[in-house]
Amino acid sequence: KNEVEQSPQNLTAQEGEFITINCSYSVGISALHWLQQHPGGGIVSLFMLSSGKKKHGRLIATINIQEKHSSLHITASHPRDSAVYICAVNFGNEKLTFGTGTRLTIIP
Amino acid sequence: GAGVSQSPSNKVTEKGKDVELRCDPISGHTALYWYRQSLGQGLEFLIYFQGNSAPDKSGLPSDRFSAERTGGSVSTLTIQRTQQEDSAVYLCASSLGGPGTGELFFGEGSRLTVL
Repeated sequence: KNEVEQSPQNLTAQEGEFITINCSYSVGISALHWLQQHPGGGIVSLFMLSSGKKKHGRLIATINIQEKHSSLHITASHPRDSAVYICAVNFGNEKLTFGTGTRLTIIP
Repeated sequence: GAGVSQSPSNKVTEKGKDVELRCDPISGHTALYWYRQSLGQGLEFLIYFQGNSAPDKSGLPSDRFSAERTGGSVSTLTIQRTQQEDSAVYLCASSLGGPGTGELFFGEGSRLTVL
């Protein structure tokens, strides 16, 4: 069965802390997406990965194909990073299977 | 356009009525996706278009749901005889290439409320 699991479900941290959100999936994939959804807002694609590591500003995404695991890191976290972060996976077909999301709250 | 545009942004309708939701993807994007996010739920895949063709419609929740895409551009998601469980935010996304090949760009969504 094609499944995507995220952890933690909720994360609260102080401004400036290093944040890690994890995503595990059940079988081989063609691509993994990290998405950001602000309260009441739309969804923004942060990264699309099929291997290795990508960095954009304070955000870093890594993927380990052998371990079927990806992490999203935020360095020097800021209150504006507060959002729901969603991992989504293409299991070799056109359907995206979504994780349940991680609700991140950064306290000033 | 500059981004994916969806309309209406909000729609309130009575149970049993038909609704049409529109998505205008980024110009040149061949792939178009419809997703649904119910209150308190995660995102759910509905349908994917490559050009005007929808290879897989199995994500549509019932035969009351249909979608079409014309001219490889605008797509319409139609819900017939709406039910209260259809209330959700309907999201459209587009990408330059097919699934797994390109970044997804999402619209702001159409919030549907069925009374």
